[in-house]
Amino acid sequence: SQQGEEDPQALSIQEGENATMNCSYKTSINNLQWYRQNSGRGLVHLILIRSNEREKHSGRLRVTLDTSKKSSSLLITASRAADTASYFCATDPYTGTASKLTFGTGTRLQVTL
Amino acid sequence: GAVVSQHPSWVICKSGTSVKIECRSLDFQATTMFWYRQFPKQSLMLMATSNEGSKATYEQGVEKDKFLINHASLTLSTLTVTSAHPEDSSFYICSARHRGVETQYFGPGTRLLVL
Repeated sequence: SQQGEEDPQALSIQEGENATMNCSYKTSINNLQWYRQNSGRGLVHLILIRSNEREKHSGRLRVTLDTSKKSSSLLITASRAADTASYFCATDPYTGTASKLTFGTGTRLQVTL
Repeated sequence: GAVVSQHPSWVICKSGTSVKIECRSLDFQATTMFWYRQFPKQSLMLMATSNEGSKATYEQGVEKDKFLINHASLTLSTLTVTSAHPEDSSFYICSARHRGVETQYFGPGTRLLVL
């Protein structure tokens, strides 16, 4: 399977704490993307990091990418109850119109009050 | 901007019937659309990729005669589940991308229950 692995599978933290999720993948990539999915809903694009980038920030999100280890991490700082969702990484080889995303297994994040 | 809609949001049908799901890009032209399937508490699995005006490319293991995909315009793609069976019950999600843009925009999904 070409699907990436995410770690941990589930994470439960208290509001205000930081949450870190890790993603490992197998193939060469052009970029790696992180998505959030609330229960029973579609996916929301969070952040895209390109293969020549090592770190990227967006609000309370921080993403790192290590192409030598084929891994990425997503850090959510000062978590809120509204951050409760499943988080997926997706790798994109981006070969033009033929390009397609391969999703990781996902991390289910639960933020409690 | 970059809104993708799906219709219906949920559908219940009897075994043996066919179900059509629509995916529309509302404010951009989608040169490529993707159809995914997601089982409970699992990840998204790509079923097929469709480019406007051409036949869809199916992933290995996905029956093209069972899951008919039509991408007739730059804003609309349809997935028809033919002769649906209970094992086809799942959450179907589409996404759309414009040529030259890396980001895919996802629809809200369609939950299919086959009785």
